[in-house]
Amino acid sequence: DAGVIQSPRHEVTEMGQEVTLRCKPISGHDYLFWYRQTMMRGLELLIYFNNNVPIDDSGMPEDRFSAKMPNASFSTLKIQPSEPRDSAVYFCASSLGGGVHEQYFGPGTRLTVT
Amino acid sequence: AQSVTQPDIHITVSEGASLELRCNYSYGATPYLFWYVQSPGQGLQLLLKYFSGDTLVQGIKGFEAEFKRSQSSFNLRKPSVHWSDAAEYFCAVGGDSGGGADGLTFGKGTHLIIQP
Repeated sequence: DAGVIQSPRHEVTEMGQEVTLRCKPISGHDYLFWYRQTMMRGLELLIYFNNNVPIDDSGMPEDRFSAKMPNASFSTLKIQPSEPRDSAVYFCASSLGGGVHEQYFGPGTRLTVT
Repeated sequence: AQSVTQPDIHITVSEGASLELRCNYSYGATPYLFWYVQSPGQGLQLLLKYFSGDTLVQGIKGFEAEFKRSQSSFNLRKPSVHWSDAAEYFCAVGGDSGGGADGLTFGKGTHLIIQP
């Protein structure tokens, strides 16, 4: 299995631009999670899906952030417009079952907004 | 709200010495507890988890952790560290599935440095 795939691995963009991060979960997994990692705040859960349905988006910082999961094998996290404070590493993770079940993390997308 | 505290930001240990990384959690119900490891530029890998039963759990790479409900702790241990153990270690807490609590709450991490 290829594991969780994220693209791009690195993204540099200017303030005000739209940014789209992509994630392909492990085949057969029914949960998908988006996390953000910064030095100041550590790892934070942004949103997660179960069977393509968003369950909890309370971690999404503001309306500039949106996430979709149009099918079981693809999810996007979009930031529009981007700001320098959005600079972080964004991780996607998937699991077979929620709760106690192991989350498998992708390699992350390092986003830099200048 | 649930939270996780890892009191040690950095820990330096000599190769071959024992290791203990501390983790304290706050959670209103029965917690699911996890330790993940992150190597530089990589995603997170699960070392071990606790959800019920024996409070001493064994994980990969020779790690173990002990759940102590009375102390709200879940400390990670290894009897003899190797240079390849140098990494960032994260403790996390999760809740019962189905209650909208499937996401994990992570501590800030402990950076482990191995001295030769």
